[in-house]
Amino acid sequence: GAVVSQHPSWVICKSGTSVKIECRSLDFQATTMFWYRQFPKQSLMLMATSNEGSKATYEQGVEKDKFLINHASLTLSTLTVTSAHPEDSSFYICSARDPGKGNEQFFGPGTRLTVL
Amino acid sequence: GENVEQHPSTLSVQEGDSAVIKCTYSDSASNYFPWYKQELGKGPQLIIDIRSNVGEKKDQRIAVTLNKTAKHFSLHITETQPEDSAVYFCAAITGGFKTIFGAGTRLFVKA
Repeated sequence: GAVVSQHPSWVICKSGTSVKIECRSLDFQATTMFWYRQFPKQSLMLMATSNEGSKATYEQGVEKDKFLINHASLTLSTLTVTSAHPEDSSFYICSARDPGKGNEQFFGPGTRLTVL
Repeated sequence: GENVEQHPSTLSVQEGDSAVIKCTYSDSASNYFPWYKQELGKGPQLIIDIRSNVGEKKDQRIAVTLNKTAKHFSLHITETQPEDSAVYFCAAITGGFKTIFGAGTRLFVKA
């Protein structure tokens, strides 16, 4: 149990376009989801915490207007990278917390974004 | 702010040997310490975790120890196999569910 999916698994886009990444909890309801960014050979950096039905909480240094997060239901959170630039190219990973399993977070498989 | 230090950054062992990865956390309010294995191009997978009220936990070839006083926790992998080769991340979580990750350890198990 506790499966988290992401779509798409990879995306290539032109500079200036927007890209939406979906994160779904498949077999549980996630009141809280997290979005991370991971550059090559580096650790995961928390971008924002997404709570269902409320505004996301962004980490220091993460632009709210550039990385739009929507958590409209208990099983879906979306991250939209607006006006993407090559420096936004990265591996984006979401995780979801199952309220029935305490602190444990379940991670999605990640989405590789390449901005040309 | 909160910080988790992880050592070593790279670890190479012979198949069958043991591997030990160590982490230190700064936030004394941290109460949950998961370890993740990440293979290339994939998301992290939880391999073992420990809570602040426990000093040691073992699951087959994997064990984790926690020293709350020193704010240290370690991952021990015994009888390593080539398929154990991956990047391993430690993490510390406070009651607010914010996860702070270590920098990662790239483990190579040589056959």
